[in-house]
Amino acid sequence: GENVEQHPSTLSVQEGDSAVIKCTYSDSASNYFPWYKQELGKRPQLIIDIRSNVGEKKDQRIAVTLNKTAKHFSLHITETQPEDSAVYFCAASTPSGNQFYFGTGTSLTVIP
Amino acid sequence: NAGVMQNPRHLVRRRGQEARLRCSPMKGHSHVYWYRQLPEEGLKFMVYLQKENIIDESGMPKERFSAEFPKEGPSILRIQQVVRGDSAAYFCASSPRTGREKLFFGSGTQLSVL
Repeated sequence: GENVEQHPSTLSVQEGDSAVIKCTYSDSASNYFPWYKQELGKRPQLIIDIRSNVGEKKDQRIAVTLNKTAKHFSLHITETQPEDSAVYFCAASTPSGNQFYFGTGTSLTVIP
Repeated sequence: NAGVMQNPRHLVRRRGQEARLRCSPMKGHSHVYWYRQLPEEGLKFMVYLQKENIIDESGMPKERFSAEFPKEGPSILRIQQVVRGDSAAYFCASSPRTGREKLFFGSGTQLSVL
């Protein structure tokens, strides 16, 4: 089955700096890659996603890049703010869609 | 749209008791996924169901755990004879179509086994 690895497990940045979280996947058939943000004690919420026919997608301060050849995708947050502090999960899904495979999460702390 | 509803939010059980976790998907969604999350860990897939069918239960322990999604009513994750190791947050997510649509998560049920 699919194996999604996520790095780093923890990340601290100064407010205003950029944050980058990286994920790799193993199944070349995976074609959908969402990112979820989970604040403490709350539900995971989708923040951005990308499909395999696209190399990059941007939504305001958040962007995701996908390298299908290398089988890795990354989340970029620019001009970080304290409210960006949360745990971020990447995921991969194959066309059959029976499972979404999640990374182990990155705990992001934005220091004011 | 009320979103994905899970209840109870917190559930306390003693070892050997049964735990029943409920999930009502978003309106119009017919696909339900259950995930388990331990503190400071990721989301571990347990089971994927469509109405009246279990599609993939490869992540669910063979013993003590079962899941259903009946034609009417919520999806139920049932854990029999709970043990302390079952303590975790259990999240349900729903999707309108298989794998090609966004997953929407419920607020989770925090199960504590005493």
